[in-house]
Amino acid sequence: EAQVTQNPRYLITVTGKKLTVTCSQNMNHEYMSWYRQDPGLGLRQIYYSMNVEVTDKGDVPEGYKVSRKEKRNFPLILESPSPNQTSLYFCASSPISNLYEQYFGPGTRLTVT
Amino acid sequence: AQRVTQPEKLLSVFKGAPVELKCNYSYSGSPELFWYVQYSRQRLQLLLRHISRESIKGFTADLNKGETSFHLKKPFAQEEDSAMYYCALKDTDKLIFGTGTRLQVFP
Repeated sequence: EAQVTQNPRYLITVTGKKLTVTCSQNMNHEYMSWYRQDPGLGLRQIYYSMNVEVTDKGDVPEGYKVSRKEKRNFPLILESPSPNQTSLYFCASSPISNLYEQYFGPGTRLTVT
Repeated sequence: AQRVTQPEKLLSVFKGAPVELKCNYSYSGSPELFWYVQYSRQRLQLLLRHISRESIKGFTADLNKGETSFHLKKPFAQEEDSAMYYCALKDTDKLIFGTGTRLQVFP
């Protein structure tokens, strides 16, 4: 089954404790992206990657890091989480030829206290 | 700046009533616009794209370049249409999403 998976689905952590949210897709997509979803602000892009070893900042990259060492994986790293990073995070992937048809993961709800 | 505006956070209608979810955009170029939908407990998914001029689940959306709009319409709403709807604009190598409109269809 073609899908995008994220782990963990729910996470409660404390300020400053480094964490990683994993994202994996099995569709051989070149393009992968991270978004955060906040009430009243909609979906905002954090980082994206056009292919292996190619990453770029989205609209709200501050406080986040990503890596793309393998085509299928695109982890999101919070080196020192802060309460303003409490949000619902989505990973998405798509073929580079159909960038608009993004397949989304189920979401990771992160709470930073 | 490239931007997508969805002025309504919430739209409530009764079953059988017409629905119009508003989307306006700002883009310097030829726009490509899309509607995504997120049903309760489901993933965000592509609903339709303007270039295909298709009707999906009874929804249509017409690109109006003069008014810079891409409103989503359905003549008769169904309860199963209740969901969060996002308008999105393709900008080079990314999608710009609006803030979303929650559609509630009451029986």
